[in-house]
Parts: sequence; structure tokens; C-alpha cells
Amino acid sequence: GQNIDQPTEMTATEGAIVQINCTYQTSGFNGLFWYQQHAGEAPTFLSYNVLDGLEEKGRFSSFLSRSKGYSYLLLKELQMKDSASYLCAWLNSGNTPLVFGKGTRLSVIA
Amino acid sequence: DSGVTQTPKHLITATGQRVTLRCSPRSGDLSVYWYQQSLDQGLQFLIHYYNGEERAKGNILERFSAQQFPDLHSELNLSSLELGDSALYFCASSVGMGQGPYNEQFFGPGTRLTVL
Repeated sequence: GQNIDQPTEMTATEGAIVQINCTYQTSGFNGLFWYQQHAGEAPTFLSYNVLDGLEEKGRFSSFLSRSKGYSYLLLKELQMKDSASYLCAWLNSGNTPLVFGKGTRLSVIA
Repeated sequence: DSGVTQTPKHLITATGQRVTLRCSPRSGDLSVYWYQQSLDQGLQFLIHYYNGEERAKGNILERFSAQQFPDLHSELNLSSLELGDSALYFCASSVGMGQGPYNEQFFGPGTRLTVL
């Protein structure tokens, strides 16, 4: 199957750092995307990893380990506006498009 | 604003009815994807069109169909509607076939369908 798993909910404090993990099926892997989705709104692209290692983009970083089928999204200096769902999506090497996880709902509290 | 437009924004209809959702991709994008998002299921891929041709099908019911027109806009038709079809329907577009870092998908604002 095309399983992709991430925690359902997380809570973190404003100004802190939070790491959201994602595990996925390794066969036919062609990339890992992270999207942010505020309630009732469209998902917006955050990052893409296809090689092992850390990709940094401002307060957000994404890490990939292909051999372990593991990725994480790191959010630093958390702000209240970061409260949203974070969707991990796995790209197959065939014609099938992105397979999305169910998302991790992050709540940032004061 | 992603550049992807979807109409209508909200749709309320009755069981057994048929509706059409419309999507216009970003200028220059050849791929259109349709997704269904309900509270307990996350984003479920329905179907992908590239330059007018169907490229991939996901968990799309036989009561649902879609097409992409020569001007690249797409329509998703939902028929014999059931209560369980109530969901947010998103359209996304990408410049290529959706493979790789320069083909990330840009999502429209969605159509919220409520079946009563």
C-alpha cells in the first residue's frame, strides 16, 4: 500500500521549536512534499526533499532520510499564525501523483 | 492567491442531485488535479489531467467524472449525490506532470459541497 503516517495533533508554545514527523513507503520514492493548510483554506506548498539531508527556508526546515522512509518538518520561533495543519505528501516515481498523509494539526499557544 | 480559481465557493444540494464544479488552472499550467477532503479522511486524490488527457485516477467513484477542456479548464461532475459526498473539493494545477521540485501543485480555494 501507499502508507504515509504523521501524528494527528501537536501543541507547542509561541517562540518555541516544534518537529513534525512523517514516515512513508520507500519503494518507488521520488520526493517528499510538505504543505501547510489553515482551517477551511487551500493547502500551500512549503518544501520539497528528494535527497537526504536538511533543506532550510527561513523559520521552516525539512529533513529527509530515504533509507529510513522518514522526514520531518521543523518550525522555529513559532508564531500564533503557524497554527494550522501540516500535510506530508509522498511522490511516486510512476504516474500516480502525490499521496497525502492525513495531516498534523498544530496548535500554537501563548 | 495561488492563481487557481474554483467556482462555486459553496454549493448546497439534495441527495440524488447532480452538480458540476469548475476549475481554472494557473496561466501556463497544463496539469489539473482534483481532490476530495472530508473531516476524517484527509486529502484524497481523485483524478489528474495533463493537457486534456487523463493521466491518473485515484479513489474516484463511478458516480463522479471529470474532463479537461482545450482551454485547460476542468470540470468535476458529481451525480446521484449522497450525504457522504459532503466535503471540500480542491483543484490544483502544476506546470508539468507533477514530478519533481519545479512541479509543485498550487491549490485553488476549494468548493464546499453540502448534500442535505
